[in-house]
Parts: sequence; C-alpha cells; structure tokens
Amino acid sequence: LAKTTQPISMDSYEGQEVNITCSHNNIATNDYITWYQQFPSQGPRFIIQGYKTKVTNEVASLFIPADRKSSTLSLPRVSLSDTAVYYCLVDHMDSNYQLIWGAGTKLIIKP
Amino acid sequence: DTGVSQNPRHKITKRGQNVTFRCDPISEHNRLYWYRQTLGQGPEFLTYFQNEAQLEKSRLLSDRFSAERPKGSFSTLEIQRTEQGDSAMYLCASSLTRGRGTDTQYFGPGTRLTVL
Repeated sequence: LAKTTQPISMDSYEGQEVNITCSHNNIATNDYITWYQQFPSQGPRFIIQGYKTKVTNEVASLFIPADRKSSTLSLPRVSLSDTAVYYCLVDHMDSNYQLIWGAGTKLIIKP
Repeated sequence: DTGVSQNPRHKITKRGQNVTFRCDPISEHNRLYWYRQTLGQGPEFLTYFQNEAQLEKSRLLSDRFSAERPKGSFSTLEIQRTEQGDSAMYLCASSLTRGRGTDTQYFGPGTRLTVL
C-alpha cells in the first residue's frame, strides 16, 4: 500500500503562493493522487486530483513529475481562510482497497 | 442541502455502553466510507460499502465495530462495549464511483464520540 509523507506544518503570509510537497515512493501504476483540505471540526474537502504532469482548477494546481513519486500542491495567493490541514492521498484501489491518510500538513497563513 | 449528513453530531457515553451512528450519503452515491479520526491525525479508514455490500474492512478494526448499509442507502456504525480508546471523530463519506478508484469523496461533518 502506498504511503505518503508530507511536512507536518508550514507557515506563510497572505497573498503568497504556497507549495506543499508530498512523497509517495511506492505509488502504483494505476494510483491517482488526491489532495483534501480540512478545517477544524469539519470533514475533509476535496481540492484536486491528478495522475501525471499538471492539473489546475479554480482553487489550486497539482504538479506531478514523470516518476510520480512525489506531487506538489500549489495554492496561489493564499488568504487567512486557507489556514487548514492539507492531506495528500494516494488512491489505491485493488482487491484490498484501503485508503491511507497521513497526518497531513498544517498550513498557517499569517496576515 | 444535499450533502452527507451524520447523526448525532456529538455523543457522550460511559465505558461499556453500545453506541450507534448514522450516516446519510449524497443520494445516488454508490460508495460509502467510514473513518475514525483522532486529534492531530489523519482519518483512519474503517470500512466501505459499494451499494449494500461491505467490500472492505480495516484489519485494525475490532470485532466490537460493525457497520451496515441496508438497501444501499444510509449506513449505521455500531460500537459495542465502548472503551475510552474509542473516543474520536467518526467520519462518513460517500462517492459516486465510475469504475476506477478516482472518485471524489464527500465527507459529512462527523460524529464526535467521547467515552467516559
């Protein structure tokens, strides 16, 4: 089962671009990479998902190198409301389906 | 609101008691997941259903835990003979799978369990 490694915490300032990198050395050929955001006392919320190269949506970009052993979530021009925990998840789907969530990265945005 | 709902939002119980939580997924979502989350940790997978079939259960899940999803709609998670270590947030999520494991999970607000 693929396991992910992320920084425990990061700080940044309003208006900056924030990049959070996740390592997933054992990612399998058919695995996708998904990022979720979680605020205190709420369930996680989907941000973005990708398989390779670059994916962009209205809130973030996801960069995945050719070897797919890592991925980087990029949040452009963050605001205070982006303070949350961000989880990198490798979607491992086979006969023993289990999703493994790490501890996530606690992102704190300062004014 | 057509999101995932969970009830109750909070539950306080005494050790040894049984508790049951309910999750109502987004209608037409065929997959339903249960997770447990403790402070400072990511969600821990417990089990998931595809329609009414329970397809996977975590190897870490005690026999005191049981989940059902009758008729492939709402689901219940029961914990028997609760222990203090069961205190956690229990999260439910649902998704609409399209054949591969790329479905987006939509989470409910969770049920916070406190075992005294």
